[in-house]
Amino acid sequence: QKEVEQNSGPLSVPEGAIASLNCTYSDRGSQSFFWYRQYSGKSPELIMSIYSNGDKEDGRFTAQLNKASQYVSLLIRDSQPSDSATYLCAVKVPNGGSQGNLIFGKGTKLSVKP
Amino acid sequence: GAVVSQHPSRVICKSGTSVKIECRSLDFQATTMFWYRQFPKQSLMLMATSNEGSKATYEQGVEKDKFLINHASLTLSTLTVTSAHPEDSSFYICSAPLLKQGGGTEAFFGQGTRLTVV
Repeated sequence: QKEVEQNSGPLSVPEGAIASLNCTYSDRGSQSFFWYRQYSGKSPELIMSIYSNGDKEDGRFTAQLNKASQYVSLLIRDSQPSDSATYLCAVKVPNGGSQGNLIFGKGTKLSVKP
Repeated sequence: GAVVSQHPSRVICKSGTSVKIECRSLDFQATTMFWYRQFPKQSLMLMATSNEGSKATYEQGVEKDKFLINHASLTLSTLTVTSAHPEDSSFYICSAPLLKQGGGTEAFFGQGTRLTVV
């Protein structure tokens, strides 16, 4: 059973702080990792993708991947109230071919307090 | 980025009736599309993989005769919930993967359909 685990939260941070979201996955063969943001009642939107060990930065967002520990994280710097949402970690199934599907974690609810 | 359009965004139907949900890739072709279901405070659960020109692949526990999938063209997949029951009330979301230049794929999601069966 392929699994993606996240702390459901809620994670509450003050405006301007760094929010740290964590995710672990069970399939060691996984190669592609994604963070999606989902506002209530809306579909997910892609925030970051990461494929190799290390950090990947895009604006206020930094994704970190450690394949040895089967761990991927998302850091949000200078958190804003508009960042309040549920963040979904997703891992691409290794044997899904070039268009394989994603396994989603249950998501972490982030609340940024003004 | 690529656009996936899902319609309708919200539907209310009576028990026993059928509801069709459409998922279109507007500016790219998708030989494969995915259908997810999301219950309140839960994550997205894959229901089935829709394949253009062939039968859909259903996940364990998903009734193929109840959730009919038709991938009629490279840009359209439909999900029909037959004999709808209140237990089918959920948020249904489709996605279509797009191969990126340089490798890797990115999933683009439709807007989702909120189905309420009364």
